[in-house]
Amino acid sequence: QVQLVQSGTEVKKPGSSVKISCKASGGTLRSYPIGWVRQTPGQGLEWMGRIVPIVGLATYAQRFQDRVTITADTSTNTVYMEVNSLRPEDTAVYYCATIRAPPQGYWYFDIWGRGTLVTVSS
Amino acid sequence: EIVLTQSPGTLSLSPGQSATLSCRASQSVSSSYLAWYQQVPGQAPRLLIYGAFSRATGIPDRFRGSGSGTGFTLTITSLEPEDFAVYYCQQYASSPPTFGGGTKVEIK
Repeated sequence: QVQLVQSGTEVKKPGSSVKISCKASGGTLRSYPIGWVRQTPGQGLEWMGRIVPIVGLATYAQRFQDRVTITADTSTNTVYMEVNSLRPEDTAVYYCATIRAPPQGYWYFDIWGRGTLVTVSS
Repeated sequence: EIVLTQSPGTLSLSPGQSATLSCRASQSVSSSYLAWYQQVPGQAPRLLIYGAFSRATGIPDRFRGSGSGTGFTLTITSLEPEDFAVYYCQQYASSPPTFGGGTKVEIK
């Protein structure tokens, strides 16, 4: 079964950017769409975006689409999410997860990475 | 977007007891596209249930999902020590997929 290994803790200044990685081991990303979910004390769990690595097609939640970019490198089995213009309220744990989707409807999250803590503070 | 409201906020129970967790949606969740997750402190969420009642791989049968439309329930029969955690529901019938605020099941 695939496992998702995320990059380590980040501390960033307001206005800067962060790029988090999510590497699949024990399987290939070609087989798994990957989603990103963040967890904050105030907003709880929020879906941010997703990517289908085999075609490189990314979709974003409306509230993040201006600040978030998700990319995939199938040669290294790694998905990346970059968040720009960071604010203190972006302080959160960011998770990547494999996506499962029915023929109609949207998606739920099957296998999760351990999360990456991003702290935004001056 | 569909808003999911979970209740109660906290459930205080003893091992061996049963837990009943509620998830109410602001509009109908078509095709019962609802999932449940368990989160132990310091860990990532774990998928328990999808499609309102189908258990994910490796999930014991003491976890049971039910419901349709705007009302869904997660029942945990005979709580084990490892079941004390926070539980979240998530709908995937419409975009964006959204999560409930969680129910904490704590040891009484």
